[in-house]
Amino acid sequence: AIQVTQSPSSLSASVGDRVTITCRASQDISNAVAWYQQKPGKPPKLLIYDASSLASGVPSRFSGTGSGTGFTLTISSLQPEDLATYYCQQFNSYPYTFGQGTKLENK
Amino acid sequence: EVQLVQSGAEVKKPGESLKISCKGSGYKFTSNWIGWVRQMPGKGLEWMGIIYPGDSDTRYSPSLQGQVTISVDKSTSTAYLQWSSLKASDTAMYYCARAVAVNHFDIWGQGTMVTVSS
Repeated sequence: AIQVTQSPSSLSASVGDRVTITCRASQDISNAVAWYQQKPGKPPKLLIYDASSLASGVPSRFSGTGSGTGFTLTISSLQPEDLATYYCQQFNSYPYTFGQGTKLENK
Repeated sequence: EVQLVQSGAEVKKPGESLKISCKGSGYKFTSNWIGWVRQMPGKGLEWMGIIYPGDSDTRYSPSLQGQVTISVDKSTSTAYLQWSSLKASDTAMYYCARAVAVNHFDIWGQGTMVTVSS
C-alpha cells in the first residue's frame, strides 16, 4: 500500500499568515491527491482535487501544488474560519490512504 | 441538492451485529463510487473501502478486509456498511462519501457514530 506522510502534525499561525502543509507519498502517484478540511463534529470538506484543482465554492486563498511524490496545500492569508484539521488523500491505487492530518491552531 | 444521508447513532455490545446506511439523492446513484471512511475518537481519517453501485464492484482496505462488509441496494439508492461481530475497537464515527472520477470525495454524509461497549 502507498504510504502518505503529512507534515507538520500541528501548526500555530496567526490571521494573515501564509500557511503551507506538505504530503509525501511513498511512490509516484502522479497528481492523484485531494485535500480536505475538517472542523470538529463535522464531516471533511473537499478543498483541492487532482493536486491543484480548486473545488467549487472554495476560496481562492487555498491552493495546491505538486506531482509525483511531493504535494503542498497553501493558504495564502489565513482567516479565522480556516482553523481546522487538514488531510491529504491519495487516489492513485487502493487503498486510497489519507495523511495523518495537520491541526491548524491560532498562535 | 446532491446529498448523502446516513442512519443514526448506534450503541451496541461486543459480539453484536450491525448494519448502517447511506442514502444518496439528487444525482444518479449508480454512476459514482461510494466510499466509507472511519474516524476513531480523536484520530484521523482511515479509508475503509469503496463500492460501485452500478455493478457492486467492491474494494476493501487490506487492514479491514474480512472485518466489515460493504454492500448496496440500487433500488433504494442506499449503500451499507455492516459488521457480523462488533468489537470495542469498532467504536468510531463512520462517514460515507461520493467519489467523482475516482479521484476525490466531493460529497460526504453527516456521519454515523457507532459505540461498542459492554
